[in-house]
Amino acid sequence: GAVVSQHPSRVICKSGTSVKIECRSLDFQATTMFWYRQFPKKSLMLMATSNEGSKATYEQGVEKDKFLINHASLTLSTLTVTSAHPEDSSFYICSARSFRQENTGELFFGEGSRLTVL
Amino acid sequence: AQTVTQSQPEMSVQEAETVTLSCTYDTSENNYYLFWYKQPPSRQMILVIRQEAYKQQNATENRFSVNFQKAAKSFSLKISDSQLGDTAMYFCAFTPWAAGNKLTFGGGTRVLVKP
Repeated sequence: GAVVSQHPSRVICKSGTSVKIECRSLDFQATTMFWYRQFPKKSLMLMATSNEGSKATYEQGVEKDKFLINHASLTLSTLTVTSAHPEDSSFYICSARSFRQENTGELFFGEGSRLTVL
Repeated sequence: AQTVTQSQPEMSVQEAETVTLSCTYDTSENNYYLFWYKQPPSRQMILVIRQEAYKQQNATENRFSVNFQKAAKSFSLKISDSQLGDTAMYFCAFTPWAAGNKLTFGGGTRVLVKP
């Protein structure tokens, strides 16, 4: 199956700093990527949808200036948490699909990135 | 807006026995997909099973099967012959056919398989 890789898997940062999380599709071209946030023992909450070459579409309640998403190439999307605070600590998961999977429901998930803000 | 509800926060089952996880959803769409995903302690999301709403036949994947009741908007997952490796969080998910694979997840059910 298709592989999606996230990096870093774990990151600890100081409050006020910015952190970048990468999501890469290793063996397919990801025309669309989705970013989710998961709190401990909770479900996945969709943050935004990013399409290659265009601006991300954010879900209601998600601060676009806080969570910067870039999808500049067909194999890479990045999520930057700007001026991170302890309440931003969470598990962030990306998923991706290619053009072929559009409207099939199929998605490939990354391994997730755990962010801890001190 | 679509919603997905999993009413069982946690379930336990003895190894080799069967457990059924419930999922209901609310939508006005007629064409959509339903999924069950497994999230083990490693946190990697793994697709367990997929159902297309236009198909009346229930999907099966080895020990995993679903009971899809479209009129009732119900989509339960049955795990047969439970194995220790089935211990995980299980999420029911929904996407309308034309939503570009944008998934809505249920709250999850934690399954513990006991030896």
